[in-house]
Amino acid sequence: DIQLTQSPSFLSASVGDRVTITCRASQVISNYLAWYQQKPGSAPKLLIYAASTLHSGVPSRFSGSGSGTEFTLTINSLQPEDFAIYYCQQLNSYPITFGGGTKVEIK
Amino acid sequence: QVRLQESGPGLVKPSQTLSLTCTVSGASISSNPSYWSWVRQPAGKGLEWMGRIYPNGNTYYKPSLKSRVTISLDATKNQFSLKLTSVTAADTAVYYCARATYYSDRGTYFDYWGQGTLVAVSS
Repeated sequence: DIQLTQSPSFLSASVGDRVTITCRASQVISNYLAWYQQKPGSAPKLLIYAASTLHSGVPSRFSGSGSGTEFTLTINSLQPEDFAIYYCQQLNSYPITFGGGTKVEIK
Repeated sequence: QVRLQESGPGLVKPSQTLSLTCTVSGASISSNPSYWSWVRQPAGKGLEWMGRIYPNGNTYYKPSLKSRVTISLDATKNQFSLKLTSVTAADTAVYYCARATYYSDRGTYFDYWGQGTLVAVSS
């Protein structure tokens, strides 16, 4: 199985901050990587697919980059509604796997 | 608007079979090139993909669950289902159904999810 390691697992930030989350894959996954946002009691929501493509309706302050084994999710000017847990997911090969998550909390 | 809704018992006894159904509205379960998946999440933990089914019935299961999992679909009801046998407390989780859509040559990604349903395994 392809392991995805997210860092940090927790971060504390203020409204307006720029936040970067990293996802490292144990094998090359090309750019078959997605980022999801999950709020308490809700299902994950697709933010970014194909490593850098913004899903429909997602604010442009979210962006993704990377290829191969290292990927980043950046949130520019963090908003109150962005405090959540973020997961990366690889769909390069089966079984599909998720990173362990990064919890973004208010400082 | 595409909507997915999980349904099924919220409590299952150990060693029994967990059965859930996902009802899809706003899209046909037979539409290509999508597929349908189940993902679960124990309380306070991360997401675990369990398996997927294509409209033609082709399935793939996470190897560690393969001996216990069956995913099927009923196109007449626009539903797909999950069965997990011989459950233990470790199978207690929120179970989500999800649709994966093919984005040209960029791959297939989970764009719609159900709200999730909590299943507890306890006697």
